[in-house]
Amino acid sequence: DVKVTQSSRYLVKRTGEKVFLECVQDMDHENMFWYRQDPGLGLRLIYFSYDVKMKEKGDIPEGYSVSREKKERFSLILESASTNQTSMYLCASRPTGLNSGNTIYFGEGSWLTVV
Amino acid sequence: AQTVTQSQPEMSVQEAETVTLSCTYDTSESDYYLFWYKQPPSRQMILVIRQEAYKQQNATENRFSVNFQKAAKSFSLKISDSQLGDAAMYFCAYRSAGFGSNFGNEKLTFGTGTRLTIIP
Repeated sequence: DVKVTQSSRYLVKRTGEKVFLECVQDMDHENMFWYRQDPGLGLRLIYFSYDVKMKEKGDIPEGYSVSREKKERFSLILESASTNQTSMYLCASRPTGLNSGNTIYFGEGSWLTVV
Repeated sequence: AQTVTQSQPEMSVQEAETVTLSCTYDTSESDYYLFWYKQPPSRQMILVIRQEAYKQQNATENRFSVNFQKAAKSFSLKISDSQLGDAAMYFCAYRSAGFGSNFGNEKLTFGTGTRLTIIP
């Protein structure tokens, strides 16, 4: 089974802190994603990466950055956390291929509270 | 840009009964994929069922089936013989199809979700 592991399930951070959310996948997938999930808004794409050191902005990249130094690891960075970034963050991965309708695999989510 | 709409924020169904969750989407593309994802409370989001737009036949996975109406841009999920373990948040999602390129067609667009409660 594909495993997408998010290192922290629950975090509480102070406003202005730098926050790192880590995600590791074990299936050699090329594509990795960070989503944010909020009630009534569904999942919104923050950033994605289709290769090492490659990244593309999603729908809501403001206030976030990402890092992908190794294929299996995709980090989401909040440079200066704010209370409106309190949310659940979901990491996901997916392989590439002509059969590209195949499924995307999610981590369990990281609940971040910024106080 | 594609949009996905789930008009039912909450639904409930008696155990062993059938329930249908609705989803509509807007796109100008002819080739794409549609998905239903399930997110149980405090647990990982998992794929329930997938539909390729070029296939006319509705997808089925055990008790889960879809009613895909391409012209109407509708993609509803039917759960038969509902079980307590079906209680979850259900998300409808859209993804463009494509060949070769990794850029621009990787995005999965989600609806806002429907919370399904199963009544024992």
